[in-house]
Amino acid sequence: QQQVKQSPQSLIVQKGGIPIINCAYENTAFDYFPWYQQFPGKGPALLIAIRPDVSEKKEGRFTISFNKSAKQFSLHIMDSQPGDSATYFCAASKMGGGADGLTFGKGTHLIIQP
Amino acid sequence: GAGVSQSPSNKVTEKGKDVELRCDPISGHTALYWYRQRLGQGLEFLIYFQGNSAPDKSGLPSDRFSAERTGESVSTLTIQRTQQEDSAVYLCASSLWGISNQPQHFGDGTRLSIL
Repeated sequence: QQQVKQSPQSLIVQKGGIPIINCAYENTAFDYFPWYQQFPGKGPALLIAIRPDVSEKKEGRFTISFNKSAKQFSLHIMDSQPGDSATYFCAASKMGGGADGLTFGKGTHLIIQP
Repeated sequence: GAGVSQSPSNKVTEKGKDVELRCDPISGHTALYWYRQRLGQGLEFLIYFQGNSAPDKSGLPSDRFSAERTGESVSTLTIQRTQQEDSAVYLCASSLWGISNQPQHFGDGTRLSIL
């Protein structure tokens, strides 16, 4: 059973556009929702994270929107650049402890065309 | 400062051999995690250490997998009698504490190929 569902699987956007990646979860015990960026041959790097007590968080060009009632969250990348081309993963972890690790979505392969 | 370091970066071995993967976490990080990433897939959580204790080993895929950690330092993931299905990238992450909102910092992984 996939606990975090991510879409789309791949996405192509023109430079300057706003790619949007969506994730949905079922487990209401999740209380921390990070997004990771991964370049080929590298480990994932934390981009931005949100807790369910806020509906939106911005860091630079990256914004997370969070809808607690719908159990959905999304990543928006403003003024996208070719250097943003990478695979993006949403993730979730349960409140209280890290013992269950992060539960990851399957990833979105994003291409920003010049 | 230094990030999470993993070695070897690549490992090719024959089916049936044992392999040992190493992770050096960020200094001072008490929590350490191992994940597996199959080609084109998301990361699959394997095991978590708080200090040198692993409270739950149920995430390990089979009894051929084992992991240890020395104090709050290096960890090793050992796979015995490797199978082709074990081919994947094995990623290690560390965080300051083992609580949900502590950022996990990843190494670049060990790419394991079983012939």
